[in-house]
Amino acid sequence: ILNVEQSPQSLHVQEGDSTNFTCSFPSSNFYALHWYRWETAKSPEALFVMTLNGDEKKKGRISATLNTKEGYSYLYIKGSQPEDSATYLCAFSGSSNTGKLIFGQGTTLQVKP
Amino acid sequence: GAVVSQHPSRVICKSGTSVKIECRSLDFQATTMFWYRQFPKQSLMLMATSNEGSKATYEQGVEKDKFLINHASLTLSTLTVTSAHPEDSSFYICSARELGEKLFFGSGTQLSVL
Repeated sequence: ILNVEQSPQSLHVQEGDSTNFTCSFPSSNFYALHWYRWETAKSPEALFVMTLNGDEKKKGRISATLNTKEGYSYLYIKGSQPEDSATYLCAFSGSSNTGKLIFGQGTTLQVKP
Repeated sequence: GAVVSQHPSRVICKSGTSVKIECRSLDFQATTMFWYRQFPKQSLMLMATSNEGSKATYEQGVEKDKFLINHASLTLSTLTVTSAHPEDSSFYICSARELGEKLFFGSGTQLSVL
């Protein structure tokens, strides 16, 4: 059974704090690791699709790293803002690349002004 | 970015009735759509893969006769929960695959079966 774990489950930070979350996934049969940002009552929004070991991607104040050999990815948010409050999901895609994703439970971030 | 529209966003129904959920890709053609389900405090779990013009592929443990999937066009897939029971109460969400690896999600449907 393929398992994707995210930690922490929830996080409360002050505006301006930097924060990071972890996603661990199977290190075998890896094709891609996806990060999504999901606000309540909205669609999950794709942040990154990462495929290469050692990859580092950045989008504004958000960045992510990937280690496929040990099976983990970190998502970093620099200088958190209240609008960053959301649930951040990671999802693993196996080597078949069928688009079938195995999701973690998510990390819910609350940024207090 | 691409937009996927899912309706309804919330439905409450009586036990034994059937409920249809629609998933539309608004500005792109999606040959493949995916249906996920999420129970409280759990991960999104893939239910089935919907391919335009062919039968859906169901994940292990998902009853194909209970969760009917139709993907009649390149922009529309429907999930019908037949003879719904309280244990089917869940959050259902679709995604559609554009060219490349990115998937675009609908906003989900909260189903409550009384």
